[in-house]
Amino acid sequence: EPEVTQTPSHQVTQMGQEVILRCVPISNHLYFYWYRQILGQKVEFLVSFYNNEISEKSEIFDDQFSVERPDGSNFTLKIRSTKLEDSAMYFCASRFGQGASEQFFGPGTRLTVL
Amino acid sequence: EDQVTQSPEALRLQEGESSSLNCSYTVSGLRGLFWYRQDPGKGPEFLFTLYSAGEEKEKERLKATLTKKESFLHITAPKPEDSATYLCAVPPPFSGGYNKLIFGAGTRLAVHP
Repeated sequence: EPEVTQTPSHQVTQMGQEVILRCVPISNHLYFYWYRQILGQKVEFLVSFYNNEISEKSEIFDDQFSVERPDGSNFTLKIRSTKLEDSAMYFCASRFGQGASEQFFGPGTRLTVL
Repeated sequence: EDQVTQSPEALRLQEGESSSLNCSYTVSGLRGLFWYRQDPGKGPEFLFTLYSAGEEKEKERLKATLTKKESFLHITAPKPEDSATYLCAVPPPFSGGYNKLIFGAGTRLAVHP
């Protein structure tokens, strides 16, 4: 069964460093998302992406964040200068498109900022 | 104001003891309510989508129902492997398409043998 994959599973970085989290969405899906979940808290929306453009972004998704679809299979989230409060699980999700509303999530990347 | 509220926060059941989880929502013009299962340290796993009041969906020991104000996830004769956090989510009103989901805090279910 097709699934969303994410790498790495765990990333440890120093405050102020740049990180890139990688995702491979389900191959025929057209809509892509990033969410995050701080330990013990709700899953929070960050950004949605379609047709090589950001469709919507949350207040969390400030100038330190960016997303890219560098090729036909990968979808990345970059945090330019990490802060302690960026420590969280980051989930990528994808959705097929018209007529399908369900988002399918990857296993997540645990980001730890020291 | 929270648009999705789940209760109870945590639920402990004996194996075989049926129960229900609740998700109440305040968004108008509901365009779908989604149930997910999340195991510790993992991503949400899609379970069901419900679109209109009266709709029901089933999968193994789980049945999801929807009214105009809330959704229930009924668990019949649960087994220890059903232990997980169950999340519900809705797309916000006035948001184009399904650009994002708003999640509830979840119900942590523990099923003991």
